[in-house]
Amino acid sequence: DGGITQSPKYLFRKEGQNVTLSCEQNLNHDAMYWYRQDPGQGLRLIYYSQIVNDFQKGDIAEGYSVSREKKESFPLTVTSAQKNPTAFYLCASSKSINGNQPQHFGDGTRLSIL
Amino acid sequence: DAKTTQPPSMDCAEGRAANLPCNHSTISGNEYVYWYRQIHSQGPQYIIHGLKNNETNEMASLIITEDRKSSTLILPHATLRDTAVYYCIVRVAWNNDMRFGAGTRLTVKP
Repeated sequence: DGGITQSPKYLFRKEGQNVTLSCEQNLNHDAMYWYRQDPGQGLRLIYYSQIVNDFQKGDIAEGYSVSREKKESFPLTVTSAQKNPTAFYLCASSKSINGNQPQHFGDGTRLSIL
Repeated sequence: DAKTTQPPSMDCAEGRAANLPCNHSTISGNEYVYWYRQIHSQGPQYIIHGLKNNETNEMASLIITEDRKSSTLILPHATLRDTAVYYCIVRVAWNNDMRFGAGTRLTVKP
């Protein structure tokens, strides 16, 4: 089935540790996105990528890093510089960043601090 | 992007139509109206979107007023599995992100 796969579903981070969240899509989409969702709140954009080897900061990029070496993959690293990393992280993809192209989401990774 | 206003919660009887309203009075001509829903602990699910014409797909219908300042998402025959938070979003043609607000929590009751 075509879709977006995020792993792991749950992740725990120790203080001072970097962790990487995986996002893979087999929809042949050019654009990919990472969002953060805090309890009872909407989504906030962390990073997005229009095409392979290109990515741009969103509204809350501090403490996060990404790479886009393959069309299918857009991993997100939560670094130790992110002081409040506990949240629900969502990856999405779309054919392009054109506003007429809907974004499709994965089922998220819930990150918690030990 | 234009801001949207949705009621915080609504109830609907199973089998009846669910009509979810959204106000976007400051929408501009190049902004699309999108609807997503999110079931607890899952990622948002795309439902439908439109620019100015009414749209229908296998999940729902989207009715946009002529002045485009408001819209209604219609689930024609709500089921218990339609219980979720529904988000109305307006998005410019070249914009890259989806600005989700608080949404409407729809509860479908037996």
